[in-house]
Amino acid sequence: EAGVAQSPRYKIIEKRQSVAFWCNPISGHATLYWYQQILGQGPKLLIQFQNNGVVDDSQLPKDRFSAERLKGVDSTLKIQPAKLEDSAVYLCASSLAGVGEKLFFGSGTQLSVL
Amino acid sequence: AQSVTQPDIHITVSEGASLELRCNYSYGATPYLFWYVQSPGQGLQLLLKYFSGDTLVQGIKGFEAEFKRSQSSFNLRKPSVHWSDAAEYFCAVGAGNTGKLIFGQGTTLQVKP
Repeated sequence: EAGVAQSPRYKIIEKRQSVAFWCNPISGHATLYWYQQILGQGPKLLIQFQNNGVVDDSQLPKDRFSAERLKGVDSTLKIQPAKLEDSAVYLCASSLAGVGEKLFFGSGTQLSVL
Repeated sequence: AQSVTQPDIHITVSEGASLELRCNYSYGATPYLFWYVQSPGQGLQLLLKYFSGDTLVQGIKGFEAEFKRSQSSFNLRKPSVHWSDAAEYFCAVGAGNTGKLIFGQGTTLQVKP
């Protein structure tokens, strides 16, 4: 089966610019997650969708980050304006609905903010 | 609040030697526990998971982990390490009733020839 697809693979921007990341989860997976992984740290959840509704966005910096999941399938994560501390790998993951389900991760988008 | 601690940031072992990576968790109820591995430039791949039942869990690539409730630990082990096991290893706990995972900071494994 196809895995979780993410694009772009790399992105370099200057601070105060905007950027968007795209994720296509595994077909049939109701739950979609965006994680931020700063160098040397474990992934931190930014936002979780169940179908096209938000389940948890408590760690999302809402003054600059936004995310949507169109029709309960693809998702985009946007940062506007970017700060230096946003430099990280942004991982998308998906799972079948339910607690304890295995998360399938994409390869991530590596963002460098200069 | 739920949390995961991986005390060892970096571990180096010789190829063929045994391996144990430590993980301690904080969670109020019976936890769902996971170990993931991340190779450079790759996403995270599930090695194994614990939900309930047998406290010794077998995973892929010859890995196993043991859940010890009394010690709040879920340590990962492998009897004989291969050079291809060099990677970053993350322990995670399933938090609440949403399915989200809380990850530890990771342990980098280096394998000496």
